[in-house]
Amino acid sequence: KQEVTQIPAALSVPEGENLVLNCSFTDSAIYNLQWFRQDPGKGLTSLLLIQSSQREQTSGRLNASLDKSSGRSTLYIAASQPGDSATYLCAVSSRGTGNQFYFGTGTSLTVIP
Amino acid sequence: EAGVVQSPRYKIIEKKQPVAFWCNPISGHNTLYWYLQNLGQGPELLIRYENEEAVDDSQLPKDRFSAERLKGVDSTLKIQPAELGDSAVYLCASSTAGGNEQFFGPGTRLTVL
Repeated sequence: KQEVTQIPAALSVPEGENLVLNCSFTDSAIYNLQWFRQDPGKGLTSLLLIQSSQREQTSGRLNASLDKSSGRSTLYIAASQPGDSATYLCAVSSRGTGNQFYFGTGTSLTVIP
Repeated sequence: EAGVVQSPRYKIIEKKQPVAFWCNPISGHNTLYWYLQNLGQGPELLIRYENEEAVDDSQLPKDRFSAERLKGVDSTLKIQPAELGDSAVYLCASSTAGGNEQFFGPGTRLTVL
């Protein structure tokens, strides 16, 4: 079974800082990796999808990288804003389990104005 | 384009009562997922459908939970009877195929008293 870990569990930064969120997984035979944000009491919003053949994806101030060999992905947020405050979740789909997605427990981000 | 629709958004019931959740996926998405999310945790898969077929229901507690996806479009998840430990957020997601980018609905927050 794929195990997904996200570190740190919580992060607080001043507005304007660049930051990195980490996601690690145990089985490198992945199909896709997807980053989400979740606001309190809301569903998950898709941020970026990285296919197993890709090394990174970018959307605006967000950049996600994937290193399958080391079982790691990072989400880089540039010039953080208070509106970025949310929980960020990483999900990995494993080929060995029919492309089922496994989620980490998330990183709770607070950007202080 | 409409996103994933779920209803109800909130439900409060007494233990031993039945409850049902409804999900309508994004048009054209063949894969539908039901997840359970406990506070402070990432979503955990309950069941996945490819069209009308349940291809992964290994984590669905079949003694009290059931699901159906008639005609391969919308889906219903039922709990009968509900227990106190079932209090959680029930999320529905859809994608074009298993392992592809998932899109989530807003979820149903269930409280069992």
